[in-house]
Parts: sequence; C-alpha cells; structure tokens
Amino acid sequence: AAGVIQSPRHLIKEKRETATLKCYPIPRHDTVYWYQQGPGQDPQFLISFYEKMQSDKGSIPDRFSAQQFSDYHSELNMSSLELGDSALYFCASFSPNEAFFGQGTRLTVV
Amino acid sequence: AQKVTQAQTEISVVEKEDVTLDCVYETRDTTYYLFWYKQPPSGELVFLIRRNSFDEQNEISGRYSWNFQKSTSSFNFTITASQVVDSAVYFCALSESITSGTYKYIFGTGTRLKVLA
Repeated sequence: AAGVIQSPRHLIKEKRETATLKCYPIPRHDTVYWYQQGPGQDPQFLISFYEKMQSDKGSIPDRFSAQQFSDYHSELNMSSLELGDSALYFCASFSPNEAFFGQGTRLTVV
Repeated sequence: AQKVTQAQTEISVVEKEDVTLDCVYETRDTTYYLFWYKQPPSGELVFLIRRNSFDEQNEISGRYSWNFQKSTSSFNFTITASQVVDSAVYFCALSESITSGTYKYIFGTGTRLKVLA
C-alpha cells in the first residue's frame, strides 16, 4: 500500500535561504500534519490541514507557511532559514483509525 | 517488536462520568516517549501529553490525568467528569529512536469516545 511520501529526503541550505518541503499523503486521506523534530528533541506539531483548510496551528514560526493543494498534497515553505531550523520534518497522513508518518525530510542549515 | 495497543475501540459514557482509556505498549528501547493525542470530529490531531520513559510520575491537568506504569507497560488516560466536548478519537503513541536523530512513531488504533448529554 502507498505510504506518505515526503520529498526531498535530505536538504542542505544556507542561512537566510528558502526551503520547500513536500508531502504526499496516503490516497483518500484528507488530513495532513507537519511536525518538526530537532536533534534529540521530540517532534513538535507545526500545522495541520483538513480538506485543504488549515485546521490547527502549533509552534510554527512566522517565517514558515504551509498549504494543502487540491490533490491533498501539502507544502511547507520556510524562509529566512536559521541554524535552529535544522531538524527532521515529518508529515503525517491521518485517517480515523490510523496515523501514518512520512519518513521525514532532514533539513540542515549551514 | 514495538507496538501500541488500545484495546477499547469505542467507549460511550454519559456526561459527568469518569472514563479511562487504556494504552499498553511494547518496546525494546530503554529510552522512548509516549504520547496521547485527541482527534475531534473536525479532524485535527491535538497533542495532549508526552511522557519520557524515565519519568513515571503521574500527571494531572485539569480534568485529565495520566497513569504511567513501566512495570505493566501501560500509559492510561482518565477524563474526570466527562463533557460532550470530550467526544473524539484518542490516540496513544510511542516514539522510539531508530538511529541517532531518527525516530519511529507508533500509534495505537485509537479509542473513539462518545460522551452523551
């Protein structure tokens, strides 16, 4: 069965650059969650979408934005990158009975 | 293998009753995190609690309380004086480190709580 696809798997950016992370949820899943996980940290909920509308918002910096498109894939846009943005970013696709996380995008800001 | 079991698929209670949601986990790791999430009908996933495997102290937050017992690998969640707004699907989750900086998250299948007025 298809899982949650995140791209790219790894990304290296310099400070002040912009990054875009993509998430393709499981087909027919209409909910996407983004999490940020710093080194040695637990994942932090960033933002979620339900039926292409933002449904909840967590600790997402103002420099970040996200959206869910008509095909339900989601993109997380990160601008003015800082060293502290280096983290593993998870996307989760969710249905009432099961949650599926992508394998994550490892972002390194240098 | 790591596993999270929420044996209760659905629970119905009458408002003001207390209700406990069970969660039993299996893991080989000595360091792990346990979570509870709430998913209301609107669909978002609401983080409720995280518990570090080294912290067995129980926690109370308003009407919510959690009982973590490593001896029985359980992390149960109790809602006191339930309210209709508590109606949701509740997920217990386990995160473990696979490699340095990489984690795997295991959710239970969820318990659907219906609080009747």
